Amino acid sequence: SAVISQKPSRDICQRGTSLTIQCQVDSQVTMMFWYRQQPGQSLTLIATANQGSEATYESGFVIDKFPISRPNLTFSTLTVSNMSPEDSSIYLCSVRGQPNEKLFFGSGTQLSVL
Amino acid sequence: GQQVMQIPQYQHVQEGEDFTTYCNSSTTLSNIQWYKQRPGGHPVFLIQLVKSGEVKKQKRLTFQFGEAKKNSSLHITATQTTDVGTYFCAATRRNGGSQGNLIFGKGTKLSVKP
Repeated sequence: SAVISQKPSRDICQRGTSLTIQCQVDSQVTMMFWYRQQPGQSLTLIATANQGSEATYESGFVIDKFPISRPNLTFSTLTVSNMSPEDSSIYLCSVRGQPNEKLFFGSGTQLSVL
Repeated sequence: GQQVMQIPQYQHVQEGEDFTTYCNSSTTLSNIQWYKQRPGGHPVFLIQLVKSGEVKKQKRLTFQFGEAKKNSSLHITATQTTDVGTYFCAATRRNGGSQGNLIFGKGTKLSVKP
């Protein structure tokens, strides 16, 4: 199992600003993902955070808006840039040891943009 | 693109009644996972099904994988208030994107009246 520490747990931000979310895992993991969950909705994958290379983004998500860092196998950050109210959502990091193993999720960051 | 359809979207039951959520795909799935998300919480892995026709039980929960590996169900017998939450199915993406990506169904939100 993996224990994931994600912070901040929530934040209220002004339009046009940026927020960086951190995700720390208690063990080295190969796969790290960032998901968005809008209120009452399912989980949508934003990107896969790759160690040592650029993140791989899903359709509809771009690096300029959601820059991701992954400096090592236990840590990653997601930045939500130039925020607008449409970015209000829960952002979740998750990790997986192998492709067919279960996902472990962080506790999430609830973001509200005014 | 690849989709996983989940129904119903909501289910309200009286405590003690049974509950079932269904997950369907137009393509054959290599495996399917089920997650539970309590209100205000993050998704937590319940189980993974891999084999055609597989049935697994966890106390009052029964999970099935269809013979054609295109559908799955989660059945809860005699629901309790502790079963409240949203249940998601998730399937591994077949191709494209990063290895190990999971595609989530929209989830079934279960409420239980005591």
